[in-house]
Amino acid sequence: DTGVSQDPRHKITKRGQNVTFRCDPISEHNRLYWYRQTLGQGPEFLTYFQNEAQLEKSRLLSDRFSAERPKGSFSTLEIQRTEQGDSAMYLCASSRGALEKLFFGSGTQLSVL
Amino acid sequence: AQSVTQPDIHITVSEGASLELRCNYSYGATPYLFWYVQSPGQGLQLLLKYFSGDTLVQGIKGFEAEFKRSQSSFNLRKPSVHWSDAAEYFCAVGANRDDKIIFGKGTRLHILP
Repeated sequence: DTGVSQDPRHKITKRGQNVTFRCDPISEHNRLYWYRQTLGQGPEFLTYFQNEAQLEKSRLLSDRFSAERPKGSFSTLEIQRTEQGDSAMYLCASSRGALEKLFFGSGTQLSVL
Repeated sequence: AQSVTQPDIHITVSEGASLELRCNYSYGATPYLFWYVQSPGQGLQLLLKYFSGDTLVQGIKGFEAEFKRSQSSFNLRKPSVHWSDAAEYFCAVGANRDDKIIFGKGTRLHILP
């Protein structure tokens, strides 16, 4: 059990650029979540997967955000045409099944200049 | 849709004193409830969870929580806090077996020596 890993740890980009983050969940975990957290706030739900199927995407999420989990293993989160308001910590979590204990990665800190 | 509210943004207690952190949820049926802790520079860690059965659940690090359906609450308690308990605490809820987990905005716990 190597834990949930996220890459990169930090990303600095200019407004308008596209960015992609990767999450490698714990190998036997079939559920994977993406959250966004800003300073002093709780994790905000973005989207989640059951194996390769995306079950839900937050209605508050712009169409600039897209996520995939091909083959039900790692996942990528892409943000197109980044805006300064996208600056946040992007957290990935995985679990064995629905509503089981979430194991969180260390996150990707995005700064949009 | 389910929601979770943590009314207290900051709580300060003296070391050795008892602690209660409040959490209220909004959902018609019996929710799946969780408490997570995020220490400075650390990832989120599960303290305890409630699905059904005994309404008083025990967790790690000496924490417990009580589910009260009549009050739609799931408050976290600890009889005697330690300086190492200083952290941010998040209540989370899942609406049903296949639903996502959403988090409250958190309560920052400060410990006085």
